[in-house]
Amino acid sequence: GNSVTQMEGPVTLSEEAFLTINCTYTATGYPSLFWYVQYPGEGLQLLLKATKADDKGSNKGFEATYRKETTSFHLEKGSVQVSDSAVYFCALSYAGGTSYGKLTFGQGTILTVHP
Amino acid sequence: NAGVTQTPKFQVLKTGQSMTLQCAQDMNHNSMYWYRQDPGMGLRLIYYSASEGTTDKGEVPNGYNVSRLNKREFSLRLESAAPSQTSVYFCASSELGGSGANVLTFGAGSRLTVL
Repeated sequence: GNSVTQMEGPVTLSEEAFLTINCTYTATGYPSLFWYVQYPGEGLQLLLKATKADDKGSNKGFEATYRKETTSFHLEKGSVQVSDSAVYFCALSYAGGTSYGKLTFGQGTILTVHP
Repeated sequence: NAGVTQTPKFQVLKTGQSMTLQCAQDMNHNSMYWYRQDPGMGLRLIYYSASEGTTDKGEVPNGYNVSRLNKREFSLRLESAAPSQTSVYFCASSELGGSGANVLTFGAGSRLTVL
């Protein structure tokens, strides 16, 4: 079945540091890939997405590139801010068979950014 | 713009009690979902409704039932609560009726504790 694996957290960084959160997936066919973010006390919200190989999703300074050859969708940001402190979830959505349209999530990575 | 509204936000139950989590969306979305979030396990799909009048089991449906009351509302019922059902529950909806690039809008969550 489909699965998503994220790097173990928590991740603690100083403000303006470079961020990478690794995400790899297992799926048949060509899933769409997503990063969702959950701020404290809130629900998840879409951060960025990519729907086909080599697509780059970007939003709020975050980027991720859909790499089919390595089945990866790593999240990066060049300079993090304290306000980026949140839980980040990698997810995939597969348009085939019984998985049609449903999101499969990774376990989440807690990011804390200190001033 | 309310988006996805869940009630209640917090609930404490005793083992064996029943309760219903309510969810409503005002975005005219076709599909609705119930997820549970547990530490280190990401979000797991309990049930979903691809369109009004249909419901299907997700990854962890045991101990739960759902009702798609109309296009706006999708409720989750625990008939006999167990401590293993202590979790944060998220309702979500999406517009595309289950396509591969399915972007979900989440509610703020309902924290349930079963003693």
